[in-house]
Amino acid sequence: KAGVTQTPRYLIKTRGQQVTLSCSPISGHRSVSWYQQTPGQGLQFLFEYFSETQRNKGNFPGRFSGRQFSNSRSEMNVSTLELGDSALYLCASSMLRGWDSDEQYFGPGTRLTVT
Amino acid sequence: AQTVTQSQPEMSVQEAETVTLSCTYDTSESDYYLFWYKQPPSRQMILVIRQEAYKQQNATENRFSVNFQKAAKSFSLKISDSQLGDAAMYFCAYRSANTGTASKLTFGTGTRLQVTL
Repeated sequence: KAGVTQTPRYLIKTRGQQVTLSCSPISGHRSVSWYQQTPGQGLQFLFEYFSETQRNKGNFPGRFSGRQFSNSRSEMNVSTLELGDSALYLCASSMLRGWDSDEQYFGPGTRLTVT
Repeated sequence: AQTVTQSQPEMSVQEAETVTLSCTYDTSESDYYLFWYKQPPSRQMILVIRQEAYKQQNATENRFSVNFQKAAKSFSLKISDSQLGDAAMYFCAYRSANTGTASKLTFGTGTRLQVTL
């Protein structure tokens, strides 16, 4: 079974631009979560989608948004990019929404650099 | 809010030796899950071991075991017979059993483990 895939793997953008990152979960997984990883702030939860609905959101500004499609693929969008948005963005999928013993499988991440 | 603390930024162990990585957490909840994740240089986050808070027995996965002390809110990872492939960043993580927030993992700052010959 294929793992979680994220595209693109690397991205360079300029301040003020917007960016869209994509995550394809493992087949059959309906929950997708997004995390931001930076050297200064570590790993921080962005949001989680389940059955096309955002169920949980971290403490990030409204410039960060996401959506999930009917095939469970998810995208996250960052508008008006700032230098501080440079990070590794990780996506994780799970079969159910965080139930007992439900494991989250992570993708390889998208490295975003904002110049 | 829950917090996870890893007080060891870096650790080193010789091949075939045993090393213990520390993790403490703070929560007011009684039901939750704890995890250790490994992130090698390839960046792919891999689940190493999981512990359910309601289980008194410490989890074990091959060479990896935990020492879970619920009252002390401590969750350490022991790696036995260390191998070169164990070199990575290790993150301790907390997940609530509350269905409203059960998808969110709260991570510690990580411990970089070096394995030497």
